[in-house]
Amino acid sequence: DGGITQSPKYLFRKEGQNVTLSCEQNLNHDAMYWYRQDPGQGLRLIYYSQIVNDFQKGDIAEGYSVSREKKESFPLTVTSAQKNPTAFYLCASSVESGNQPQHFGDGTRLSIL
Amino acid sequence: GENVEQHPSTLSVQEGDSAVIKCTYSDSASNYFPWYKQELGKGPQLIIDIRSNVGEKKDQRIAVTLNKTAKHFSLHITETQPEDSAVYFCAARHSSASKIIFGSGTRLSIRP
Repeated sequence: DGGITQSPKYLFRKEGQNVTLSCEQNLNHDAMYWYRQDPGQGLRLIYYSQIVNDFQKGDIAEGYSVSREKKESFPLTVTSAQKNPTAFYLCASSVESGNQPQHFGDGTRLSIL
Repeated sequence: GENVEQHPSTLSVQEGDSAVIKCTYSDSASNYFPWYKQELGKGPQLIIDIRSNVGEKKDQRIAVTLNKTAKHFSLHITETQPEDSAVYFCAARHSSASKIIFGSGTRLSIRP
């Protein structure tokens, strides 16, 4: 069964701590994306990657970092520099070229302790 | 860059009635328009999409229309049911772009 798996579903961060959110896909998609969603709001793009070992900043990259060492995996680190990290984080993937949709995982909800 | 505006932000309809959500886009080169449904605590799920070479597409109770001249597209849900209650997002993309641009979302509530 192909899809996108995000883990953990819930995550708590202490002040000054970095945390890493996992995103794995078995859809053989080249492109992967991270979005942040605040309550009652839309999707804001944090980072995206079109190919292994390459990624670009989205609209709100400050305080976040990513890596793309494998096609299947695109982990997001929320660093201590992100002063307001409480949000719902969504990972997505898509075929890189052509008019194809993004497929989303079920998200990770990050809260501050 | 591309900008997508979505209206209304909230919509309440009686069960069995129709619901319409409208979006406009700014980049005339956009040629792919997906619609997503997001249920509480879950990720958005694709429900229907349309490409710029057609003006309308239908899938059971859901239809999407596209007016390329006016740069707007709409989602129509007929015979609404309680399970249609969710947040709906429109989006736009053109084939040379890596990113899909999302609208701000519409919270649809179905009244029993």
